[in-house]
Amino acid sequence: DAGVTQSPTHLIKTRGQQVTLRCSPKSGHDTVSWYQQALGQGPQFIFQYYEEEERQRGNFPDRFSGHQFPNYSSELNVNALLLGDSALYLCASSSPTSNSPLHFGNGTRLTVT
Amino acid sequence: DAKTTQPTSMDCAEGRAANLPCNHSTISGNEYVYWYRQIHSQGPQYIIHGLKNNETNEMASLIITEDRKSSTLILPHATLRDTAVYYCIVRSSGAGSYQLTFGKGTKLSVIP
Repeated sequence: DAGVTQSPTHLIKTRGQQVTLRCSPKSGHDTVSWYQQALGQGPQFIFQYYEEEERQRGNFPDRFSGHQFPNYSSELNVNALLLGDSALYLCASSSPTSNSPLHFGNGTRLTVT
Repeated sequence: DAKTTQPTSMDCAEGRAANLPCNHSTISGNEYVYWYRQIHSQGPQYIIHGLKNNETNEMASLIITEDRKSSTLILPHATLRDTAVYYCIVRSSGAGSYQLTFGKGTKLSVIP
C-alpha cells in the first residue's frame, strides 16, 4: 500500500520563475493538505483541498495556489518565486473523518537562487 | 487551537524508555492531542493521538493527565532509529479546523 508520494524530490529554480509540485495521496484518502517547512522550523500550513476545492488556507500570499484532480491527486503552484520560498514542501493526505490523522510524504526540497 | 510547550531537546539511552512531555494548559474540551515525529530529511510521521484516555499502539503510549493540561509520549524501548524531532500538537475536532499547527518540537537524541 503506497503512502503519500511527492514529485520531484528536489528542484532548483531561479527567482521570478514559477514552479509546480505534485502529490498523490495515500490509498483511500481524499483530502490533501500542503505545508511549507523552512530550515529549522516546524511545518506551516498552506492550504487544504477536498472535493477539488480549497477548503481552508493558511497565511500565505496568492502566489501560492493549488489544484486537486478527480483522482484526489494535487498540485501546488508557486508564482514569482522569491529567495524566501526556499523550503521543504510537504503534502499530507487524510480521510474525511474529523479526527483522521494526516499522513505526510517526504516532501519536495525547493531551492530558489 | 491551543498552543503547546515542549522542551527543546532531550537525550535517552538506547534500550531505555523515552518520556517526552508536553504542556497544553489552554486545551479545550473538543481538542485532541496528536504526536508526530520527523526524522531528518523525511516528512512527519504520525505516532498517536488521544482525547482524554490513555492510548497505546505499536509505536508508543500516550498518557494524558486528568485535567488534560499536559501529556507524555512514551517510547518504551528507544532505539537509535527513534532519534528525531517530536511534535506535540493540539487539534480541534470541530468542523472547519483542518490544519495542524506545528511548534518547534523536541529533538530527541538516543545515545548508544
